[in-house]
Amino acid sequence: GENVEQHPSTLSVQEGDSAVIKCTYSDSASNYFPWYKQELGKGPQLIIDIRSNVGEKKDQRIAVTLNKTAKHFSLHITETQPEDSAVYFCAASRSNFGNEKLTFGTGTRLTIIP
Amino acid sequence: DTAVSQTPKYLVTQMGNDKSIKCEQNLGHDTMYWYKQDSKKFLKIMFSYNNKELIINETVPNRFSPKSPDKAHLNLHINSLELGDSAVYFCASSPRQGVSGANVLTFGAGSRLTVL
Repeated sequence: GENVEQHPSTLSVQEGDSAVIKCTYSDSASNYFPWYKQELGKGPQLIIDIRSNVGEKKDQRIAVTLNKTAKHFSLHITETQPEDSAVYFCAASRSNFGNEKLTFGTGTRLTIIP
Repeated sequence: DTAVSQTPKYLVTQMGNDKSIKCEQNLGHDTMYWYKQDSKKFLKIMFSYNNKELIINETVPNRFSPKSPDKAHLNLHINSLELGDSAVYFCASSPRQGVSGANVLTFGAGSRLTVL
């Protein structure tokens, strides 16, 4: 089955700096890669996703890049703000059509230092 | 509010007891899930139901039994609770299968189970 590794497990950055979280996956058939943000006391929430036919996707201060050859994808947050502090999870699936399960990474606790 | 809601939010109980966690979604989604998040924050899928039919059943002890009375509800019953069952359990839902975006999960706020 799919195995998703995520690094680092914890990350602290100064407010205004950029943060990068990296994930690698094992199943070459995976083609859907979402990122979820979990704030304290809440459930994870989708913040951005990318499909394998796209190399990069951006939404305001967050962007995701995908390298299918190397089987890794990354989350980039620019101009970080205190509200970006949370646990971030990457995930991978063979399909975006709901008939294949999502495998989550182990999570990264991001702390933004004011 | 449209959401995935689960109750109770906190549950403290003794080893050996039986307990249930309820989940309801009013998003009109066809698929519902139970995930377990341990103390290290690892998120692992336990079960998935599509229109009341079990479609994913990971390697979970048979002390855990999901029940879906209709596609808007997915409850989790746990028998003979053990210390290792202590975790946060998340319910989630997603749109109907076969359409793009069907894997976008909406999570509930979680139910923290503590077994003493």
